[in-house]
Amino acid sequence: DILMTQSPSTLSASVGDRVTITCRASQSISSYLAWYQQKPGKAPNLLIYKASSLQSGVPSRFSGSGSGTEFTLTISSLQPADFATYYCQQYHRYWTFGQGTKVEIK
Amino acid sequence: EVQLVESGGGLVKPGGSLRLSCAASGFTFSTYTMNWVRQAPGRGLEWVSSIDSSGAYIYYADSVRGRLTISRDNAKKSLYLQMNSLRAEDTAVYYCANAIDGNYADIWGQGTTVSVSS
Repeated sequence: DILMTQSPSTLSASVGDRVTITCRASQSISSYLAWYQQKPGKAPNLLIYKASSLQSGVPSRFSGSGSGTEFTLTISSLQPADFATYYCQQYHRYWTFGQGTKVEIK
Repeated sequence: EVQLVESGGGLVKPGGSLRLSCAASGFTFSTYTMNWVRQAPGRGLEWVSSIDSSGAYIYYADSVRGRLTISRDNAKKSLYLQMNSLRAEDTAVYYCANAIDGNYADIWGQGTTVSVSS
């Protein structure tokens, strides 16, 4: 099984901050990686696919990078709507999600 | 409107059974691989099972293999999850989700809650 490890688990930040979340795969997954945002009581929402492709309708302050085993999600200027939990997901072989990163208000 | 709507969740005793359903609308259901993903209370997302567009290829997480069965009816635009021999650790919100080209999901249902408790 491919294990996905996110860091940090929790991130405290302020509106306007630049935020970076890291996701590591236990083996190479090429660029078969997606990022989702989830708010309490809601389903996940796709932000990024193929490691760096921005899903239609997602604000351009979100960006993704990486390949192989190391990936990052960056929010260039944190907005109030961005306080949520973020998950990476590999789809190289079946699906595996990272444990999540909660972005909270500092 | 593009949407997935789950139903069938509820409270069941350990060892019991439930059948979850997921109704699709607003997109060509029959062309998509479909998935079940669950989220235990206060925990992260866990992939449960996937089924390809024709129903010929089916995959399960190790934690549910032999107890949960995924199926679909393309004529009814519906996805199903038959859950048998339920355990307390199966307690979760269950989401259905599509898979674009068998990969990531851009359509998720709102989830249905399964609680396994005596």
